[in-house]
Amino acid sequence: DQQVKQNSPSLSVQEGRISILNCDYTNSMFDYFLWYKKYPAEGPTFLISISSIKDKNEDGRFTVFLNKSAKHLSLHIVPSQPGDSAVYFCAALSSTPLVFGKGTRLSVIA
Amino acid sequence: EAGVTQSPTHLIKTRGQQATLRCSPISGHTSVYWYQQALGLGLQFLLWYDEGEERNRGNFPPRFSGRQFPNYSSELNVNALELEDSALYLCASSLLVGGYAEAFFGQGTRLTVV
Repeated sequence: DQQVKQNSPSLSVQEGRISILNCDYTNSMFDYFLWYKKYPAEGPTFLISISSIKDKNEDGRFTVFLNKSAKHLSLHIVPSQPGDSAVYFCAALSSTPLVFGKGTRLSVIA
Repeated sequence: EAGVTQSPTHLIKTRGQQATLRCSPISGHTSVYWYQQALGLGLQFLLWYDEGEERNRGNFPPRFSGRQFPNYSSELNVNALELEDSALYLCASSLLVGGYAEAFFGQGTRLTVV
């Protein structure tokens, strides 16, 4: 039973365009959400987070949107750069350790 | 400041053997988490230690166990290895403040069971 779902295993975007990565969750107790980026042979690195009391958090090229009623969040990267090519994991937290989605592989094409 | 360090980076074991994986958290972090990333799957939560105690456990059999030492470093033990235990094992650490904390990950230990 997957509590955090990333339904798109992969995404290709042209350099300079917007990348939108989506994530859905089922557990209404989740109240903090994070995005991690992972390169091959490395551990995931924290990217951006959002609390459930907000609906948007922005950090440079990265913006996370949260729609609590739909139990949906998305990560927007604009403009996309080739160095953004990686696997992106959505994660959610309540009082237990992070629950991760399966990840979306983003490929930014020059 | 040193990040989360894991050893070894690669480990090859035969079926039925035991594997021991080690993790040193970021200095000052008291919580250590273990995750398994098997091929085609996301990060599956294994174990959470905080202040030397096991706080939570994922849906894994008892042959997956671990401990946290007084210096907050941690060890993951996998007994009676099976082929499907082959995966990347990631350790993360955090400092719990108000219940929320970003977890910082190590580079992982690639375990191969043959």
